[in-house]
Amino acid sequence: QKEVEQDPGPLSVPEGAIVSLNCTYSNSAFQYFMWYRQYSRKGPELLMYTYSSGNKEDGRFTAQVDKSSKYISLFIRDSQPSDSATYLCAMSRNYGGSQGNLIFGKGTKLSVKP
Amino acid sequence: NAGVTQTPKFRVLKTGQSMTLLCAQDMNHEYMYWYRQDPGMGLRLIHYSVGEGTTAKGEVPDGYNVSRLKKQNFLLGLESAAPSQTSVYFCASSYARAQETQYFGPGTRLLVL
Repeated sequence: QKEVEQDPGPLSVPEGAIVSLNCTYSNSAFQYFMWYRQYSRKGPELLMYTYSSGNKEDGRFTAQVDKSSKYISLFIRDSQPSDSATYLCAMSRNYGGSQGNLIFGKGTKLSVKP
Repeated sequence: NAGVTQTPKFRVLKTGQSMTLLCAQDMNHEYMYWYRQDPGMGLRLIHYSVGEGTTAKGEVPDGYNVSRLKKQNFLLGLESAAPSQTSVYFCASSYARAQETQYFGPGTRLLVL
């Protein structure tokens, strides 16, 4: 079993829809959770960062971590065509050292249709 | 500020040839990373550096070497390219730890024939 599992999609939604993107993981030692957004032929950029469990909100984006279920989510409200991209989850164990390196999911490709 | 830049943007190699990918950052970041991204595999860490003069192996280091002679530059070398190294290579940097925001370059597309 891979450490981080993410459904690659593709996921297609109409403009204005609520989007839910998810990752599951197997290592209970993960404490740091991130979501990166990657537009086509570009490098990833950090979207959301969460430490341990709980929710974090930033504008139309909400990141949720459920450590008991080993499950993280990214919600996008009022989705826009400009949100069309690949979304990568990433996580790590310790703050520093080799176990601080990020483990990425495969990414979910999202398309928001006007 | 240019952020993270990568040279070249695209390259075609024949099996057995060598090449060096250059990454440069102008943000005075301590940490730098090399990833490869393959369809269905996601981003995987090749090598990383926690400061000038230091390097360490990541998840998939075989067939690659790196050097960090200057703080702002991180070089990735392929001594004898193989078709399995066909990929998109991304360089990233962060101020300190990997959990802090990593800034990615635009990528280098490498095709090994």
